Amino acid sequence: GNSVTQMEGPVTLSEEAFLTINCTYTATGYPSLFWYVQYPGEGLQLLLKATKADDKGSNKGFEATYRKETTSFHLEKGSVQVSDSAVYFCALSEDAGGTSYGKLTFGQGTILTVHP
Amino acid sequence: DTAVSQTPKYLVTQMGNDKSIKCEQNLGHDTMYWYKQDSKKFLKIMFSYNNKELIINETVPNRFSPKSPDKAHLNLHINSLELGDSAVYFCASSQGLVARVGEQFFGPGTRLTVL
Repeated sequence: GNSVTQMEGPVTLSEEAFLTINCTYTATGYPSLFWYVQYPGEGLQLLLKATKADDKGSNKGFEATYRKETTSFHLEKGSVQVSDSAVYFCALSEDAGGTSYGKLTFGQGTILTVHP
Repeated sequence: DTAVSQTPKYLVTQMGNDKSIKCEQNLGHDTMYWYKQDSKKFLKIMFSYNNKELIINETVPNRFSPKSPDKAHLNLHINSLELGDSAVYFCASSQGLVARVGEQFFGPGTRLTVL
């Protein structure tokens, strides 16, 4: 079955530090890959996505590149802010001829705390 | 206007009780989902409905019964609540069955505590 593995957290950084959160996946077929973010007390919201190999998703200074050869989709940001403190989830959705029903398989989440 | 709303936001109840959580979306989406998030933030899908038809039914105790009266609503009824049911339950919606081109919009969550 499909699975997503994220780096263990929590991650604690100082403001303006460089962020990397590793994500690797296992899937049959050709999945789409996503990063979702959950701010304290809220539901998840889509941060960025990539639908095919070598695509780069980007939003709010965050980037992730779909690497089929290493089955990875690592999240990066050059300079984090206190407001980036949240839980980050890597996820995949497999498009198996349109029968995937939009099912997302999530990683375990990585808690990020950014200090001033 | 809130896109995906859930009620109640907090639910505290005794073991053995029956409770319901309601979800409504005003995005015009045709697919809705229920997820369970445990205390370690792990998120797992429970059910999904497309146009009021159940399309995803993960390994969930049959004490959990979803109901979709129309495309905009998906409710979750839980019978005989157990301590292990304590979690945050998220409702989500999307347009279409395939997440390749779309995204799922999540509600704010319902924190269920079973005493």
